[in-house]
Amino acid sequence: DVKVTQSSRYLVKRTGEKVFLECVQDMDHENMFWYRQDPGLGLRLIYFSYDVKMKEKGDIPEGYSVSREKKERFSLILESASTNQTSMYLCASSSGAVSNQPQHFGDGTRLSIL
Amino acid sequence: GQNIDQPTEMTATEGAIVQINCTYQTSGFNGLFWYQQHAGEAPTFLSYNVLDGLEEKGRFSSFLSRSKGYSYLLLKELQMKDSASYLCAVNRDDKIIFGKGTRLHILP
Repeated sequence: DVKVTQSSRYLVKRTGEKVFLECVQDMDHENMFWYRQDPGLGLRLIYFSYDVKMKEKGDIPEGYSVSREKKERFSLILESASTNQTSMYLCASSSGAVSNQPQHFGDGTRLSIL
Repeated sequence: GQNIDQPTEMTATEGAIVQINCTYQTSGFNGLFWYQQHAGEAPTFLSYNVLDGLEEKGRFSSFLSRSKGYSYLLLKELQMKDSASYLCAVNRDDKIIFGKGTRLHILP
């Protein structure tokens, strides 16, 4: 079974802090994704990556950056956290062509910015 | 979510059948996924449709009409554990876009 592990289940940070959310997958998947999920808005794509050192902006990249130095790890960085970044963050991975392979999700990190 | 429409909430009775609809813009369409998400948990993959027709997997079936931009997820013999959100996700130009999800309540 594919395992996608997010480093923290719950995280509380302060406005202006630099925040790192880590995600690791153990199935040698090429593709990795970061989403945020908010009530009434559904899952929204922040960034994704099809390969090591490769990244592409999703629908809502502002205020975020990512890093993919190794195939198994995809990090989401909030450069200067703000209260409107309080959300549930979900990491996912998939193999091969994005078009027809299901995504496997981690359990999520509930991030609160005070 | 970018013109992917699903009902916000639905309620059904244990043992019954429920159909959850999803409509989407057809431009750039490459396929459609359904995911299940229990409260506080990660979404899990249910089905993938790329061709027209019905695909059955046990109690769950998924239907697609590409020309109409329409899909549905059919859940039979509902069980209490089916209480969850059901997410429709469209592959549009090789980018996956999620609908806002349908929260399904099952009554005993």
